[in-house]
This record gives sequence, C-alpha cells and structure tokens, in this order.
Amino acid sequence: GQNIDQPTEMTATEGAIVQINCTYQTSGFNGLFWYQQHAGEAPTFLSYNVLDGLEEKGRFSSFLSRSKGYSYLLLKELQMKDSASYLCAVEVGGSYIPTFGRGTSLIVHP
Amino acid sequence: DAGVTQSPTHLIKTRGQQVTLRCSPKSGHDTVSWYQQALGQGPQFIFQYYEEEERQRGNFPDRFSGHQFPNYSSELNVNALLLGDSALYLCASSRGQHFSGNTIYFGEGSWLTVV
Repeated sequence: GQNIDQPTEMTATEGAIVQINCTYQTSGFNGLFWYQQHAGEAPTFLSYNVLDGLEEKGRFSSFLSRSKGYSYLLLKELQMKDSASYLCAVEVGGSYIPTFGRGTSLIVHP
Repeated sequence: DAGVTQSPTHLIKTRGQQVTLRCSPKSGHDTVSWYQQALGQGPQFIFQYYEEEERQRGNFPDRFSGHQFPNYSSELNVNALLLGDSALYLCASSRGQHFSGNTIYFGEGSWLTVV
C-alpha cells in the first residue's frame, strides 16, 4: 500500500512564502500531483512532478525527490485567496490512480 | 466548455436506505472515477469506469456500485447506508486511462448525510 504524510495545518502571513511538505512510502511510484481545494469546492489541479527537481508555475512551484520520497509545494507572495487545503497525491505505475494524502489546511492571515 | 457536473449537491438519507449520485464528465472525457472524502480527509478512490465497465476498484465494499452510460455519464449507488457513509462524494473525469500524469478534473461533489 501507500503511506502519504502531510502536516495537518499551517498558517502564514499575506505576502510571505510558505512550503508545504509531503513525504510518501510507496511501491511502484510513478509521479506526484498537488491539488488545491477551497472549502466546499472541488479539488483543482496545480502540478504534476515525475522527474526530480523544481517545476515553477507562476507563484506556485513544486519539488520532487524520488530517492527521498519527498515533495513540497512552494507558494510565494501569499494572498488571502490562497487559504485552502492542499492535497498531495501519489500516482502508482500500473494503476495510474492517484492516492491522496489527508491534505494540509493553509490559513493565510493579514 | 462544461466541466464535471454532479447531482444532487446535498442530500440526507436514513440508515439502511439506498442512494444514487450522478455525474457528467467534462466535455471530451471518457473516463469517470468516484472518490469519497470524509471531513478533514483526502479523497479515497472508490472505482473507475471506462467504456461502460468498472476497470479498477479501491477498498470499498460491494454496497458501493456504479454504472457508466454510452454518453460517458456515470452513477454511483450505495445500498444499505451506514452512518459512516456520510461524506462528500466526488466525481472525477479524465481522457483515456493508464498513462502517466493523466490529470483528473473533479466535480463540486455531492454531500451525503446519513442519519
């Protein structure tokens, strides 16, 4: 099976930078997704990493280290609207069905 | 371009009853997956439908069943409802299946409360 670990909750200040970590233990790892989910809404796709390294997409960047079973999502220039849950999901080769962690609730305050 | 649509948005059922939830995939998508998300948890995979057949299944009992229609829309049925079935049920669609990085797009979900 897969084991995915994320912090339950984080707080940060508007305009700051925050890093949300995700560690995983899985067999047949293929890639890793990050999704954003605002309260009461559908999860929306943020990024997908399959190779080691940092992928930058505007204010959001995602990093992957396959050898360490580790990923992080970096959010820069935080805005109030970034307050949401951030879900890390591991994709296993063969099934290609993403398995989700429990999510990290990010609270951005003024 | 319509995204993934689900109905109903909210419903309340009694223990032991049966419920049917409906999903229309995003335009151009032919694969539908269903997830259960309990409060404070991440989505848990229930099953996936492609070409009108259940292709993969997560760790859910047979009380959970589904169907996919020729127009790619799908239904999730849950029989003999338990209090623990109370959750947000998410439908997700994608184009094709079984390839790396195949992004899934979620609907807004159906909130089910079992009393």
